[in-house]
Amino acid sequence: AQRVTQPEKLLSVFKGAPVELKCNYSYSGSPELFWYVQYSRQRLQLLLRHISRESIKGFTADLNKGETSFHLKKPFAQEEDSAMYYCALKDNTDKLIFGTGTRLQVFP
Amino acid sequence: DADVTQTPRNRITKTGKRIMLECSQTKGHDRMYWYRQDPGLGLRLIYYSFDVKDINKGEISDGYSVSRQAQAKFSLSLESAIPNQTALYFCATSDLRQGKNTDTQYFGPGTRLTVL
Repeated sequence: AQRVTQPEKLLSVFKGAPVELKCNYSYSGSPELFWYVQYSRQRLQLLLRHISRESIKGFTADLNKGETSFHLKKPFAQEEDSAMYYCALKDNTDKLIFGTGTRLQVFP
Repeated sequence: DADVTQTPRNRITKTGKRIMLECSQTKGHDRMYWYRQDPGLGLRLIYYSFDVKDINKGEISDGYSVSRQAQAKFSLSLESAIPNQTALYFCATSDLRQGKNTDTQYFGPGTRLTVL
């Protein structure tokens, strides 16, 4: 089965603390994974994709095939990082399967 | 992204009514999608269309139908609305052209539907 699991519904941290949003996937084959973000009163938008191996807004995510994970990390959280984060997997018919999302709250 | 628009933005209706949600895009993308977002359930795919003549059911298509009137327009209908269809509905587009595969999906602002 193709599936994306985000075990945390809510993650609360203080400004400057490290952040790790967990994502695990189930996929037989070579996965393509993404993180999408939805800031308050804004549209859902792509944050990053594992193929690009890029850092966006200080966030990085490394694909770990052994652990079937694609956790999103940031060393020092900022208040403006508060948002809803969705991990997504591209399935074998080119559609995206989204996880249930994690709400990140960064307190001042 | 203002290139993907949805109408209406908010709608309150009663059980049994027929409702149409519309999505338009000026991005020239071939692919369009309808999702619903529910707290704790994330985004779930209702229907998708990879071009004008292609319509496919998603994960939760029961109770919904769609129409791809043109490349730029993709409408979602609830033939007989029920309260558990109360949700936030998103349209999205993406592009797959010959020799170019861009996975990014571009989302509309959402339509908040309440069925009483």
